[in-house]
Amino acid sequence: AQSVTQPDIHITVSEGASLELRCNYSYGATPYLFWYVQSPGQGLQLLLKYFSGDTLVQGIKGFEAEFKRSQSSFNLRKPSVHWSDAAEYFCAVGAKQTGANNLFFGTGTRLTVIP
Amino acid sequence: GAGVSQSPSNKVTEKGKDVELRCDPISGHTALYWYRQSLGQGLEFLIYFQGNSAPDKSGLPSDRFSAERTGGSVSTLTIQRTQQEDSAVYLCASSQGRGRETQYFGPGTRLLVL
Repeated sequence: AQSVTQPDIHITVSEGASLELRCNYSYGATPYLFWYVQSPGQGLQLLLKYFSGDTLVQGIKGFEAEFKRSQSSFNLRKPSVHWSDAAEYFCAVGAKQTGANNLFFGTGTRLTVIP
Repeated sequence: GAGVSQSPSNKVTEKGKDVELRCDPISGHTALYWYRQSLGQGLEFLIYFQGNSAPDKSGLPSDRFSAERTGGSVSTLTIQRTQQEDSAVYLCASSQGRGRETQYFGPGTRLLVL
């Protein structure tokens, strides 16, 4: 069955520091993968996605993620965090199941940025 | 429209009452999804509509939950006889409906059942 694990519930980083949010997935076929960000009281905004091709994908707001099939991972990175990056981050894997192109989400990682 | 819209943004109801949540997808998107986000949980798939096909209801947690999509556009999620465990944020998403693709999410409806 499809599943997504985000092992870090909460991460705190200093502004300007680098960031890596972990995501591991379980899926029998070639996955397509997403990172979404959710600010308080807001819906989910797409940061980036991987469907195929280059395993290093660039997204908005300076984020990037690397798909590593051997590790079943799709970790999100940013070289220098800004205070406005404080939010909840969700990794998701897309799967076609019973006709629906569902997204299976991890439980999220809450990012706190300290000055 | 410019994005997915949902209404109301917040809903407080009493246990046992029925509620209706509305989703207006991006114009031209044929696929529409409902998800539920409970406190401390990830997003849980509820139901999926694609064009005129029969909806995929495999994620609905009980028969108290139902949804319809009129005219291939606006969707309504109905929860009958609400229970406290139904308290959550209900998110709607839409996509073009062409297979592997990006889903665009609305701001959600925060439901609190007292």
